[in-house]
Amino acid sequence: DQQVKQNSPSLSVQEGRISILNCDYTNSMFDYFLWYKKYPAEGPTFLISISSIKDKNEDGRFTVFLNKSAKHLSLHIVPSQPGDSAVYFCAARSRTGNQFYFGTGTSLTVIP
Amino acid sequence: KAGVTQTPRYLIKTRGQQVTLSCSPISGHRSVSWYQQTPGQGLQFLFEYFSETQRNKGNFPGRFSGRQFSNSRSEMNVSTLELGDSALYLCASSPRGLAGAGSYNEQFFGPGTRLTVL
Repeated sequence: DQQVKQNSPSLSVQEGRISILNCDYTNSMFDYFLWYKKYPAEGPTFLISISSIKDKNEDGRFTVFLNKSAKHLSLHIVPSQPGDSAVYFCAARSRTGNQFYFGTGTSLTVIP
Repeated sequence: KAGVTQTPRYLIKTRGQQVTLSCSPISGHRSVSWYQQTPGQGLQFLFEYFSETQRNKGNFPGRFSGRQFSNSRSEMNVSTLELGDSALYLCASSPRGLAGAGSYNEQFFGPGTRLTVL
């Protein structure tokens, strides 16, 4: 049972515009969420995280928004750059849990 | 500091065979976790080893097993391979393991081993 879902397998955005990647979860016990970025032939690398006590976390061009009532989080990249082209995974875990649950990933292509 | 290394990077096996994958964590990290990545399922947690003990296991059949050595290097074994085992197998190391509030963003992934089962 997929507890973390990324319903858009791919996304194309023009350079300089905003990229919005979405993620939904089903487990209300999740209290920490992360985004990872993965280039081909490399492992995922941590990008940004957010705790459930917040609804927004910002790091440079990357902002993650959390809507707990909707069990939804999103990653905004502004402005998008060609180097952002990669697969993005969202992940979640609960404070009492001891594993991460990952989504299926969204492949972002930023067109120059 | 050297990153997480995985060997081999690519592997081709046939159904029924067994395979062993290796992961060397970042120096000083005591936890190694294994994940299976497939297009339809994303990253699925297999198990975590911490100080040579399996601390947690995902929902995979017993054909998937692992171990960790005293130097924190870990191996994952899959016996009686099936076509559906074709995937990218990723390992991740962390200093304190997956449990605990301080470890959320401390997983560092290796590049993975691409296993193809024919």
